[in-house]
Amino acid sequence: SQQGEEDPQALSIQEGENATMNCSYKTSINNLQWYRQNSGRGLVHLILIRSNEREKHSGRLRVTLDTSKKSSSLLITASRAADTASYFCATRLTGANSKLTFGKGITLSVRP
Amino acid sequence: GAVVSQHPSWVICKSGTSVKIECRSLDFQATTMFWYRQFPKQSLMLMATSNEGSKATYEQGVEKDKFLINHASLTLSTLTVTSAHPEDSSFYICSALDTGQFSYNEQFFGPGTRLTVL
Repeated sequence: SQQGEEDPQALSIQEGENATMNCSYKTSINNLQWYRQNSGRGLVHLILIRSNEREKHSGRLRVTLDTSKKSSSLLITASRAADTASYFCATRLTGANSKLTFGKGITLSVRP
Repeated sequence: GAVVSQHPSWVICKSGTSVKIECRSLDFQATTMFWYRQFPKQSLMLMATSNEGSKATYEQGVEKDKFLINHASLTLSTLTVTSAHPEDSSFYICSALDTGQFSYNEQFFGPGTRLTVL
């Protein structure tokens, strides 16, 4: 089964609102990453947070990691219509040559 | 970030033919590359891990004789879908691991190749 599970599966908000997406995982990780994918396109790496980090910021993005709850959240502030995309969390487990495992993804729609 | 390219970006072929997809790391050397498959509205599923100079490691359920992987250089990995069938139609995405001195072992993704088998 997949390591990461995002929720909600789909999110629809108005432009200007904040979007919060959550990801839970099952086993200890080395790092957790968030990606964006526009329809039919490749992945865009958004942010990486390591297991010893609790929060990271990048522009309008804020990612938190709670290793005790095995969960992460991605917050997009002041959303724009261009943020409409699918968002995936991916976890890299501890151990050498560990694979990156993706969750099922969240579909975000930002209404103009 | 580093750039990974894929070629072609899309391909349409007849059932029974073979299709080769190239994945290149443009500004770094990648001893390890990964091949993923993504069906519509689904997540990326890892198919295989490609290691330069050695045999690829396939995930459970992925037929190695059907999905041939060659990683002959530090910047190029190829995936050949042999005797393609309509059920092989999918979005194939490669990824390269940057293990360079100044990297954080980041994994960079190509733009994907849309394969349609008629």
